[in-house]
Amino acid sequence: NAGVMQNPRHLVRRRGQEARLRCSPMKGHSHVYWYRQLPEEGLKFMVYLQKENIIDESGMPKERFSAEFPKEGPSILRIQQVVRGDSAAYFCASSPGQVDYEQYFGPGTRLTVT
Amino acid sequence: QKEVEQNSGPLSVPEGAIASLNCTYSDRGSQSFFWYRQYSGKSPELIMSIYSNGDKEDGRFTAQLNKASQYVSLLIRDSQPSDSATYLCAVRGTTGRRALTFGSGTRLQVQP
Repeated sequence: NAGVMQNPRHLVRRRGQEARLRCSPMKGHSHVYWYRQLPEEGLKFMVYLQKENIIDESGMPKERFSAEFPKEGPSILRIQQVVRGDSAAYFCASSPGQVDYEQYFGPGTRLTVT
Repeated sequence: QKEVEQNSGPLSVPEGAIASLNCTYSDRGSQSFFWYRQYSGKSPELIMSIYSNGDKEDGRFTAQLNKASQYVSLLIRDSQPSDSATYLCAVRGTTGRRALTFGSGTRLQVQP
């Protein structure tokens, strides 16, 4: 029973490049959440998506960040024109659709901006 | 005031002892409460969820919730060195919002 899958696990980008992070939810889960963990800081919610819909993006920075969860394929978190401050661990979590749900986390993508 | 507060620790307990981890939250409308364990460099791993007042036990772990006091705790009985990790308290707030708000975590050290 595969868990939440994320790739790549490690990503190095130069300032100004684009970063694309992918997340495939656990089998049977239709809800995806992205969180960011800055060095020595806690986990912060970024965005919540269902298939083809962004439900809550209240934690997303207003510029350079976008997310999608297409009908087919993984959810993608896209960061344009990366800056050093984007260096962090980005975690994806998934849950089923029931009201009382639990979120299960993937292994994360460690983004380093040089 | 932070939305979810935890003592950062480290909390040091001897092997075999009970470790008690505490968390307070500010949103009275909070619905669901979770404890995650995170080893250094790894992703959060769900340990317990609790939705109603009282105790919930699962193996060596017991979660306790007191909504009136806006307080949730995690007890780890018979602590093992492998329990040494950061424990994150997470809260799902107002009805309709699914995002989790995390505390900054308590680092637990279990001394052999």
